[in-house]
Amino acid sequence: IAGITQAPTSQILAAGRRMTLRCTQDMRHNAMYWYRQDLGLGLRLIHYSNTAGTTGKGEVPDGYSVSRANTDDFPLTLASAVPSQTSVYFCASSAGAGFYNEQFFGPGTRLTVL
Amino acid sequence: AQSVAQPEDQVNVAEGNPLTVKCTYSVSGNPYLFWYVQYPNRGLQFLLKYITGDNLVKGSYGFEAEFNKSQTSFHLKKPSALVSDSALYFCAVRFLTNDMRFGAGTRLTVKP
Repeated sequence: IAGITQAPTSQILAAGRRMTLRCTQDMRHNAMYWYRQDLGLGLRLIHYSNTAGTTGKGEVPDGYSVSRANTDDFPLTLASAVPSQTSVYFCASSAGAGFYNEQFFGPGTRLTVL
Repeated sequence: AQSVAQPEDQVNVAEGNPLTVKCTYSVSGNPYLFWYVQYPNRGLQFLLKYITGDNLVKGSYGFEAEFNKSQTSFHLKKPSALVSDSALYFCAVRFLTNDMRFGAGTRLTVKP
């Protein structure tokens, strides 16, 4: 079944540790996104990639980095995790970066930083 | 500022009754508006979008939304609610290529 997979499903992490959240899509979508979801705040964009080889900053990029070496994969790295990064992280993709493209979401990764 | 607001945290309706989930937006230029639904422990699923054209947009699972430019609203509606419609609903507006702004979400509960 085509779609987006994320790993791990959940993770408890000690503050200061490095963590990479994985995201893979098999829809050959050009654009990919990382969001965090926090209660009462909806989803906020962390980083995006319009196409392989390019990335950009979203609304809340501090403390996170991304790479886009190929079309399918878009990992999100927390270089040194802090408790405020406790959240549910969603990866998404869209066929293109145009205004009219809806986004498809993965199942999410629940991250707890202690 | 470009933003979207969902004024109700919670909406409760009885099964079979019509439902409305409200959304208002603030954006310069033409708005591109979306509705998504999130079931427990799942990612968001696309329901419908307004890009241009008819103000009434029909989407998945019998949902529709009405774009009202004068009231800057994009309310989600369904004529007859089902218990299985109970979920978290998000309105979103896209005003720059890579910036989709989401509302805080409205929890819909449909009671039998």
